[in-house]
Amino acid sequence: KAGVTQTPRYLIKTRGQQVTLSCSPISGHRSVSWYQQTPGQGLQFLFEYFSETQRNKGNFPGRFSGRQFSNSRSEMNVSTLELGDSALYLCASSLVGEQGYTFGSGTRLTVV
Amino acid sequence: SQQGEEDPQALSIQEGENATMNCSYKTSINNLQWYRQNSGRGLVHLILIRSNEREKHSGRLRVTLDTSKKSSSLLITASRAADTASYFCATAESGTYKYIFGTGTRLKVLA
Repeated sequence: KAGVTQTPRYLIKTRGQQVTLSCSPISGHRSVSWYQQTPGQGLQFLFEYFSETQRNKGNFPGRFSGRQFSNSRSEMNVSTLELGDSALYLCASSLVGEQGYTFGSGTRLTVV
Repeated sequence: SQQGEEDPQALSIQEGENATMNCSYKTSINNLQWYRQNSGRGLVHLILIRSNEREKHSGRLRVTLDTSKKSSSLLITASRAADTASYFCATAESGTYKYIFGTGTRLKVLA
């Protein structure tokens, strides 16, 4: 079966712009989580969605938002980009959220 | 603050040797998971151990969990060069689905 698909793979944006990242989970998986990974901070939890509802949220500013659609596909949006937002953004899906997660390959965002 | 912390931060061993890495966490959990990441790619789920389990095996992997000490260990036996990667533990506080990852152990297996 197809894995978790994240698009785009790479993205370069300018400070102040906004960006939308997309994640298609494994078919049948209803829980989707997002993570930011940087060399300095490691893997930081952004948010988790289940059946279109945000169940958990990390400690990120309101510039970071997300949503999940009825087909479980998820998007995250970052507005007013800052240089520090440059990172690898990872999406992961799970059946209901308590089993192991399957990760996508990530979107590498560079803010210049 | 990090829910999980791994140690050592880095480990270098010869092919064929065993590798052990440890993880500590802070709250009560339902399960603890271990993942592997190769060179900035997505993470791969290795094994999940539930809070009522003490030990679990999967191929060359052995995981232990001590809930009284809030710690876990991952043992990779007969390591191979292909095991070179970063290894992370992940836990979520009971009742939540907010899985927090530790800082990871960078394992290098020398051929």
